[in-house]
Amino acid sequence: GENVEQHPSTLSVQEGDSAVIKCTYSDSASNYFPWYKQELGKGPQLIIDIRSNVGEKKDQRIAVTLNKTAKHFSLHITETQPEDSAVYFCAAKSNTGNQFYFGTGTSLTVIP
Amino acid sequence: EAGVTQFPSHSVIEKGQTVTLRCDPISGHDNLYWYRRVMGKEIKFLLHFVKESKQDESGMPNNRFLAERTGGTYSTLKVQPAELEDSGVYFCASSQAVEGAHGYTFGSGTRLTVV
Repeated sequence: GENVEQHPSTLSVQEGDSAVIKCTYSDSASNYFPWYKQELGKGPQLIIDIRSNVGEKKDQRIAVTLNKTAKHFSLHITETQPEDSAVYFCAAKSNTGNQFYFGTGTSLTVIP
Repeated sequence: EAGVTQFPSHSVIEKGQTVTLRCDPISGHDNLYWYRRVMGKEIKFLLHFVKESKQDESGMPNNRFLAERTGGTYSTLKVQPAELEDSGVYFCASSQAVEGAHGYTFGSGTRLTVV
């Protein structure tokens, strides 16, 4: 089955700096890669996703890149703000599967 | 529209007791999923309903866990008898399509602590 690894587990950045979270996956059949943000007391919320036919996708201050050959995908947050502080999860899924495979999460703290 | 609602938000029970978690998906979402996150680890799939039918229950840990979705609306997840290793946050999610045009919509979770 699929195995998704996520690094780092914790990340602290100064407000205004960039944050990068990296994930790798093992199943070459995976073709959909969402990123979720979980704030305290809330459930994970989808913030951006990318499909395997695209190498990069951007939405304002967040972007995701995908390297299918290396089976890597990354989340980039620029100009970080305190409200970006949360736990971020990457995930992977294939067309043939029902479930998402999640990484172990990255706790991001943006220091004002 | 109302989101995915889970109840209770927290539950503390003793080992050997029974607990039932409830999930109300977004109205009209045929697909309902249960996931669990044990502290510090990944969010792991438990099972998937399409309407009232179990499409995939390959992630259910053992026969102490029973999920139902009566009438294809809300779902319950019962743990009986609970063990210490069942502690974690149980998430429910729903979607219209299996892949989900925008992924899943998650509920806020039930934090279960077995002591």
